[in-house]
Amino acid sequence: DTGVSQDPRHKITKRGQNVTFRCDPISEHNRLYWYRQTLGQGPEFLTYFQNEAQLEKSRLLSDRFSAERPKGSFSTLEIQRTEQGDSAMYLCASGKETQYFGPGTRLLVL
Amino acid sequence: ELKVEQNPLFLSMQEGKNYTIYCNYSTTSDRLYWYRQDPGKSLESLFVLLSNGAVKQEGRLMASLDTKARLSTLHITAAVHDLSATYFCAVVRGAQKLVFGQGTRLTINP
Repeated sequence: DTGVSQDPRHKITKRGQNVTFRCDPISEHNRLYWYRQTLGQGPEFLTYFQNEAQLEKSRLLSDRFSAERPKGSFSTLEIQRTEQGDSAMYLCASGKETQYFGPGTRLLVL
Repeated sequence: ELKVEQNPLFLSMQEGKNYTIYCNYSTTSDRLYWYRQDPGKSLESLFVLLSNGAVKQEGRLMASLDTKARLSTLHITAAVHDLSATYFCAVVRGAQKLVFGQGTRLTINP
């Protein structure tokens, strides 16, 4: 098992464009989480899946954000009409008792 | 609203010295975690503390939990340069949603 993987690792986009990130969790984990981390801050919870069901969403997750986990395996996080304030590191985690984090996708919106 | 506060936020210390990072949280929680983050990298799980009085040690790091005081400590013994990183505590809320502190940026000087 190679741990949680995320793709891409870096993304630069222009304001107003749509972006999509992918997360592949550790295979036996049915819980998957998305967090966002801005510079100098701790990660903030965005959303959580158990298998394919999205069970909780943060108020941070505006209507421009959507997350899916269609087959209960990998997950995608899409941001529509990106804004400069969306620039951050987007972290995916999976786990049971302990959450194991992926390497993150660093997004820069110009 | 669950809040997690760490102090100090910045810590510069010399190799060989001992120091403690403090983590306070505002409401009861089932578990407390400590993570390490190197610059530009993702989060590495260090400890999970499950009950009052729990103590865990790994190398020069020791974490403890006092649920009555809502306080966890991360003690560093005889610091070495390799321990330079940002350390986060996080508390579980609801279905394992993590609420993180602001992080303590630790710099260990030769």
